[in-house]
Amino acid sequence: GAGVSQSPSNKVTEKGKDVELRCDPISGHTALYWYRQSLGQGLEFLIYFQGNSAPDKSGLPSDRFSAERTGGSVSTLTIQRTQQEDSAVYLCASSLYGGNGYTFGSGTRLTVV
Amino acid sequence: GQNIDQPTEMTATEGAIVQINCTYQTSGFNGLFWYQQHAGEAPTFLSYNVLDGLEEKGRFSSFLSRSKGYSYLLLKELQMKDSASYLCAVEGSSNTGKLIFGQGTTLQVKP
Repeated sequence: GAGVSQSPSNKVTEKGKDVELRCDPISGHTALYWYRQSLGQGLEFLIYFQGNSAPDKSGLPSDRFSAERTGGSVSTLTIQRTQQEDSAVYLCASSLYGGNGYTFGSGTRLTVV
Repeated sequence: GQNIDQPTEMTATEGAIVQINCTYQTSGFNGLFWYQQHAGEAPTFLSYNVLDGLEEKGRFSSFLSRSKGYSYLLLKELQMKDSASYLCAVEGSSNTGKLIFGQGTTLQVKP
């Protein structure tokens, strides 16, 4: 596609429920990144996929968070048993060649009530 | 540890010049980025510095001093539409494209 597409754009969920956030990167971009932006905070790295390599999961805050990328394209970030502190904007970015070439999606605003 | 500092908020007048500073301490360095983010929107790329010096791009310029761990973003001829958050980010030594972001500077441009 022309840009990075994320869905849903907004999600309100009850505490304890599981949620799935989707990212559709730019076609041909081999690198895909998930970040989290809490209110008034900077972007916090979560996870990074590069081609067929094992993902870098070093930023995932707990084992309730997981992500996968199917067929080197679409990625899904799953948060299990959501907590109120998970409320944030989840941003996805894709890149053809590392940091100098990021395109961000518009994000999913997650609210846990 | 890894740390990137930038002022939380700044205010400037339309038509003026504003400089947003960023200092960083990271375990490695593969480049420094500035992004602009309007409220409720995705960050958009502004500039990239990997060597010392000034990079100019229209009304925006970015400066880097690697020895000082310091960068600034200079915005000239400010316009009301420049009101946004400005994010400083560093790519560390892993050359993976993984970026470490500062908290962002919210710039308000007043008439």
